[in-house]
Amino acid sequence: DQQVKQNSPSLSVQEGRISILNCDYTNSMFDYFLWYKKYPAEGPTFLISISSIKDKNEDGRFTVFLNKSAKHLSLHIVPSQPGDSAVYFCAASARFWLDQGAQKLVFGQGTRLTINP
Amino acid sequence: NAGVTQTPKFQVLKTGQSMTLQCAQDMNHEYMSWYRQDPGMGLRLIHYSVGAGITDQGEVPNGYNVSRSTTEDFPLRLLSAAPSQTSVYFCASTQGGLGGYTEAFFGQGTRLTVV
Repeated sequence: DQQVKQNSPSLSVQEGRISILNCDYTNSMFDYFLWYKKYPAEGPTFLISISSIKDKNEDGRFTVFLNKSAKHLSLHIVPSQPGDSAVYFCAASARFWLDQGAQKLVFGQGTRLTINP
Repeated sequence: NAGVTQTPKFQVLKTGQSMTLQCAQDMNHEYMSWYRQDPGMGLRLIHYSVGAGITDQGEVPNGYNVSRSTTEDFPLRLLSAAPSQTSVYFCASTQGGLGGYTEAFFGQGTRLTVV
């Protein structure tokens, strides 16, 4: 039972254009969402996050949008650059776990983003 | 500041062999965890620890043991390796505690093949 889903295994975008990566979740308990970026042979690195009390968070070229009613979030990258080519993972966590001192993360399957020159 | 260090980077085991994947962090983080990454599955939580002496099971704990004797180290033990444990393993650490959400820092991973 996949609680966090990234339904697009791959995405190809032209350099300079917008990249939009999507993520859906099923568990209403989730109230914090993160995006991680992963290059081959490296561990995931944190990119951006959003709390459920917000519907948008921006950090430079990266913006995450959260639609709680649809249980959907998206990551926008504008403009896309060749260095953005990587696998992007969406992850979710819950206050219930944090209150126990455990910041568990539930990950989606990942989307491989390729930026073409 | 090394962050999260995993050893080894690569390992090939025969079915039934045992081994320990090492994980160390130098950020004084309370919360540490182990994930495995399989194609099409994302990262799945194996075990986690909220502090020295305290561990608990994640989503896929079967076949793995952990212990946390110090804040810095969180080894993952495979007692009798099986081909289904062929995967890439990531250790992560987070500040944790009750102060609010913080980002997790991941090691570079251990690619394990069980033949």
